Amino acid sequence: QKEVEQNSGPLSVPEGAIASLNCTYSDRGSQSFFWYRQYSGKSPELIMFIYSNGDKEDGRFTAQLNKASQYVSLLIRDSQPSDSATYLCAVNTGSARQLTFGSGTQLTVLP
Amino acid sequence: SQTIHQWPATLVQPVGSPLSLECTVEGTSNPNLYWYRQAAGRGLQLLFYSVGIGQISSEVPQNLSASRPQDRQFILSSKKLLLSDSGFYLCAWTPGGGQPQHFGDGTRLSIL
Repeated sequence: QKEVEQNSGPLSVPEGAIASLNCTYSDRGSQSFFWYRQYSGKSPELIMFIYSNGDKEDGRFTAQLNKASQYVSLLIRDSQPSDSATYLCAVNTGSARQLTFGSGTQLTVLP
Repeated sequence: SQTIHQWPATLVQPVGSPLSLECTVEGTSNPNLYWYRQAAGRGLQLLFYSVGIGQISSEVPQNLSASRPQDRQFILSSKKLLLSDSGFYLCAWTPGGGQPQHFGDGTRLSIL
């Protein structure tokens, strides 16, 4: 069973702080890693993807990947109340690059 | 640019009734297509995926089925709905090669 684990939260941070979201995965053969944001009642929206070990930055978001530790994280700098959502970690597995999702971390940014 | 459409947005069905949800993608050819279900407060569960016309793979055995009659059309069906089929159904596509999946707006299905 290929698994993706996330802390379910809820995680609360004050506005302007750094939010740190973590994810571990069980399949060592996984090659692609994704972070989706899902607002309540809406479909998931892709915010970051990373394929190689290290950091990848896009605006206020930084994805970090450590394949040896089977660990991927998302940092959100200068958090805003509009960042309040559930963040889903997803990992590519299988011949058709199916995604296995974690259960999500609920983030609340307090004004 | 590519877009993905799902309909209907919401659906209320009685137990034992049939189901047909449709998903279409525009602006690309030969996409990989996926159906997911999300129960309330839970993560996404992959139900079916397709890498081409007529090619369907099932991830979870259940009373649902999927079909891909055209390159950019993916249909989720059931002959008889169960209470446990309630949830948020999401269609997604990717051009393949490990690239990100993009989701439609979803269908919220309630079974009475």
